[in-house]
Amino acid sequence: GAVVSQHPSRVICKSGTSVKIECRSLDFQATTMFWYRQFPKQSLMLMATSNEGSKATYEQGVEKDKFLINHASLTLSTLTVTSAHPEDSSFYICSASGGAHQPQHFGDGTRLSIL
Amino acid sequence: AQTVTQSQPEMSVQEAETVTLSCTYDTSESDYYLFWYKQPPSRQMILVIRQEAYKQQNATENRFSVNFQKAAKSFSLKISDSQLGDAAMYFCAYRLRSGNTPLVFGKGTRLSVIA
Repeated sequence: GAVVSQHPSRVICKSGTSVKIECRSLDFQATTMFWYRQFPKQSLMLMATSNEGSKATYEQGVEKDKFLINHASLTLSTLTVTSAHPEDSSFYICSASGGAHQPQHFGDGTRLSIL
Repeated sequence: AQTVTQSQPEMSVQEAETVTLSCTYDTSESDYYLFWYKQPPSRQMILVIRQEAYKQQNATENRFSVNFQKAAKSFSLKISDSQLGDAAMYFCAYRLRSGNTPLVFGKGTRLSVIA
């Protein structure tokens, strides 16, 4: 089956640093990738939709300058949390799709902790 | 905008018994997908079952089946012969069938299985 690899799985860093999370489709071309955030005991909330070769579309309330998304190839999208603060601590998970009517495949998520 | 509602924050079931998780949704579209995802403590997102809205027949996957009532916008999940490994968070999700659109999740139901 289709595999999506997400790295790192766990990050602990100091406040003010930037953190990059990678999402790779290993055996298919992902025209679209989605980035979700999940706070403890809550559901997944869509942050942004990223299409290969174009700018990401952010959901209302998500700061595009803080959460930089790059989708430069059909197999890789990155989410960079810039100048991270404790309130950015969360579980970030990506999903990738090969196109309309294609299923979404999830990465295993990244647990981000900002001290 | 589409919304997904899971009215049961927590449910429990005896091992080997049957349990039904509820989900309702709101949409003005006629062509869409509905899903149930399982999220164990590892926080992986595992697809349990998928239903296409244009299909009248309820989807089944081994011990998992759905009761899809399109007119009522209801999509419940039945787990038969519950096993300890079924204990997890279960999320109901909606996705438009046209275009490459994101999943919209409900708030989830935490299922406990009692030995």
